[in-house]
Amino acid sequence: KQEVTQIPAALSVPEGENLVLNCSFTDSAIYNLQWFRQDPGKGLTSLLLIQSSQREQTSGRLNASLDKSSGRSTLYIAASQPGDSATYLCAVSHYNQGGKLIFGQGTELSVKP
Amino acid sequence: KAGVTQTPRYLIKTRGQQVTLSCSPISGHRSVSWYQQTPGQGLQFLFEYFSETQRNKGNFPGRFSGRQFSNSRSEMNVSTLELGDSALYLCASNPPGSLKNTEAFFGQGTRLTVV
Repeated sequence: KQEVTQIPAALSVPEGENLVLNCSFTDSAIYNLQWFRQDPGKGLTSLLLIQSSQREQTSGRLNASLDKSSGRSTLYIAASQPGDSATYLCAVSHYNQGGKLIFGQGTELSVKP
Repeated sequence: KAGVTQTPRYLIKTRGQQVTLSCSPISGHRSVSWYQQTPGQGLQFLFEYFSETQRNKGNFPGRFSGRQFSNSRSEMNVSTLELGDSALYLCASNPPGSLKNTEAFFGQGTRLTVV
């Protein structure tokens, strides 16, 4: 059974810092991995999707890497801003399971001005 | 282009009642998935519909059911509500094409409170 873990559960950093969020999964037979952002009481916004055959994806100040063999992904946020404060969630999908996503518990990020 | 639309945004129901939530996917998307989000359990998969057929189902009791219409809009129903059903219910849709390289798009959710 796939389990997804995110460490740390919460993180507080001063504005301008570069930071790394971690995601690990127990079953490496994933289809893809997605990183999402969730603001309080809101839905999820997709940030990056990494296919199982890829090593990393970049979008603006965000860079996500994937090491399928070790069951790990990291989300790197450069030059953090107060507007980055949110909960970040990673989720994996599997072959033959359609659109089903299995989520980690999330990392709650607070960027202080 | 309109995003995934969920209605209503907020609901308050009494224990024992039933409730129906609605989700309209992005135009052209045929896959719709439902998730329950609670502080204790996080995001948990309920079920997925594709072309009016349930393609996947999570580990929830039979009180939770869903359906999809020919226009891809989906509804989920919870019968005999319990206090523990209080949660944010999220709907996601996937565009056509390979699921390997297509991301899921989520709605804003329906906040259900059972009293």
